[in-house]
Amino acid sequence: NAGVTQTPKFQVLKTGQSMTLQCAQDMNHEYMSWYRQDPGMGLRLIHYSVGAGITDQGEVPNGYNVSRSTTEDFPLRLLSAAPSQTSVYFCASSSSGRETQYFGPGTRLLVL
Amino acid sequence: GENVEQHPSTLSVQEGDSAVIKCTYSDSASNYFPWYKQELGKRPQLIIDIRSNVGEKKDQRIAVTLNKTAKHFSLHITETQPEDSAVYFCAASHDDMRFGAGTRLTVKP
Repeated sequence: NAGVTQTPKFQVLKTGQSMTLQCAQDMNHEYMSWYRQDPGMGLRLIHYSVGAGITDQGEVPNGYNVSRSTTEDFPLRLLSAAPSQTSVYFCASSSSGRETQYFGPGTRLLVL
Repeated sequence: GENVEQHPSTLSVQEGDSAVIKCTYSDSASNYFPWYKQELGKRPQLIIDIRSNVGEKKDQRIAVTLNKTAKHFSLHITETQPEDSAVYFCAASHDDMRFGAGTRLTVKP
């Protein structure tokens, strides 16, 4: 099993550009989530999904969109990148929101 | 939504000493409380967890306690070693999982 995979590992964007961060898991987990990690602020929940076709907002959803068309994939879209979105993004999956979250390796995003 | 507060933000101990990290949560419906360890440049990984029907759980040098009435839980690491140096995160979960801001633990040899 590959577990949770994320692409790309590192990305540089210019302000106003859009992009999609990819996340996939091969553990047949229903629950998937996206977090951003900034120094001193821990892991903040952006969006989460409890199953295919179902998504919900977390603490900091503004500027981000998600969709969940399959159980395996949970892409995160930045609509119009801003410097405030410079961060490390982690995708995670688990059997439910009340179980161990397995994290991907992270995507480091720099917005200039 | 759930709000998790974690203290201290940094902690420095001598090798062999104990380390304690404390967290509080706001949503009384939260029922799952994991702790994650994150080494520099790596992803967070689960080290121990506790559910709301249990007051204490131990795994070798690591223990977690939960006080549901006061809505706080703590991580205890005994006989600390240099390899325990990392950032530790607490979390609380009901329908989604929210994390504390993290504690940077440094264990001095």
